Amino acid sequence: DIVMTQSPDSLAVSLGERATINCKSSQSVLYSSNNRNYLAWYQQKPGQPPKLVIYWASTRESGVPDRFSGSGSGTDFTLTINSLQAEDVAVYYCQQYYTTPLTFGGGTKVEIK
Amino acid sequence: EVQLVESGGGLVQPGESLRLSCAASGFTFSNYWMHWVRQAPGKGLVWVSYISADGSNTKYADSVKGRFTISRDNAKNTLYLQVNSLRAEDTAVYYCARVREPRSTVWGGFDYWGQGTLVTVSS
Repeated sequence: DIVMTQSPDSLAVSLGERATINCKSSQSVLYSSNNRNYLAWYQQKPGQPPKLVIYWASTRESGVPDRFSGSGSGTDFTLTINSLQAEDVAVYYCQQYYTTPLTFGGGTKVEIK
Repeated sequence: EVQLVESGGGLVQPGESLRLSCAASGFTFSNYWMHWVRQAPGKGLVWVSYISADGSNTKYADSVKGRFTISRDNAKNTLYLQVNSLRAEDTAVYYCARVREPRSTVWGGFDYWGQGTLVTVSS
């Protein structure tokens, strides 16, 4: 199984500042035949289902504010939230869909400092 | 508007069974692979199972293999998860989720999720 390791477990960021979340996979999720990283990021607020934020490691889902961006390739990935807003308070998960079992990171809780 | 609505959860005793349903609307259900993902109270997301668009291909997490069965009725736009021999560790909110890319094995993540149905296994 591919193990997804997120860091940090939680972080507190001031409004308007940048939040950076890391995700490391135990093996590459880059599919060489199409040069795509099979990596997604989700946002989950309390009492709600997850919401897709980023797919293919760096493609922003429709309707997601452009302060959210994803980067990385192979085994190391980053979700960046520029200019953090109050509505961004949530738990963020990375997920690999390169192979089954699909696996998620343990989550990173983002709070306001 | 795309909607996924789960039902069928509840409180059961260890060893009992349930059938979870996920009613889909607002899109051509038969074009999409579908997944079940669960989340134990206060814990993270865990993938459970998937089924191909036509129902011919299924896969399960090792923790549920042999006990859970995923299926779909494309005429009724409904996804199912039959959960048997339930254990305390199966207690979770069960979400159905749609892959982002239709008619494809290249999924692009899960773009729509239901609100979830809670399964509680306790004596």
